[in-house]
Amino acid sequence: QKEVEQNSGPLSVPEGAIASLNCTYSDRGSQSFFWYRQYSGKSPELIMFIYSNGDKEDGRFTAQLNKASQYVSLLIRDSQPSDSATYLCAVTVEYGNKLVFGAGTILRVKS
Amino acid sequence: IAGITQAPTSQILAAGRRMTLRCTQDMRHNAMYWYRQDLGLGLRLIHYSNTAGTTGKGEVPDGYSVSRANTDDFPLTLASAVPSQTSVYFCASSASGGVNQPQHFGDGTRLSIL
Repeated sequence: QKEVEQNSGPLSVPEGAIASLNCTYSDRGSQSFFWYRQYSGKSPELIMFIYSNGDKEDGRFTAQLNKASQYVSLLIRDSQPSDSATYLCAVTVEYGNKLVFGAGTILRVKS
Repeated sequence: IAGITQAPTSQILAAGRRMTLRCTQDMRHNAMYWYRQDLGLGLRLIHYSNTAGTTGKGEVPDGYSVSRANTDDFPLTLASAVPSQTSVYFCASSASGGVNQPQHFGDGTRLSIL
């Protein structure tokens, strides 16, 4: 079983809709959770991080964490074509020193 | 502009050759990392360094070596390149190696081994 799992997609949403990206992880000791956005041919760019159960909002982005269910999600409100990218979920393991990435979910926002 | 600089941007290399990928950061971050990214497998940690003078192995360290002589530089060396090392290599850094420290990435090196 992979440590961090994401649906590869592509997830297609119409412009203006809410995009919901999901991630599950296997290490119950994980403490920090990150979402990165990666455009094709570019490097990963940090969007959000969350450490505590519940929701964290930053502009159009909301990260949701449920440690009991080992589940973290990213909601993108009012999706724009410029949001089309691969979204990587990353989780810390082994005392927070190492970051394990999921393979990513491709998001396509159609205008 | 502060950030991480990787060189070269891309390289085609014959199998068996030695290659060093360079990574320099000017953010005075203590921790640095090397990842490889392959289609369908995501980013995998090769080696890391929590502070100058120390290094550690990640998930896929075989065939690679690193050094951390100072805070700013973290070169990755392939002693004898093999085709399976064809990949995109990303260097990253964080303020420290502890919990809750986001990692920031360089632009990557696209390496092809023939």
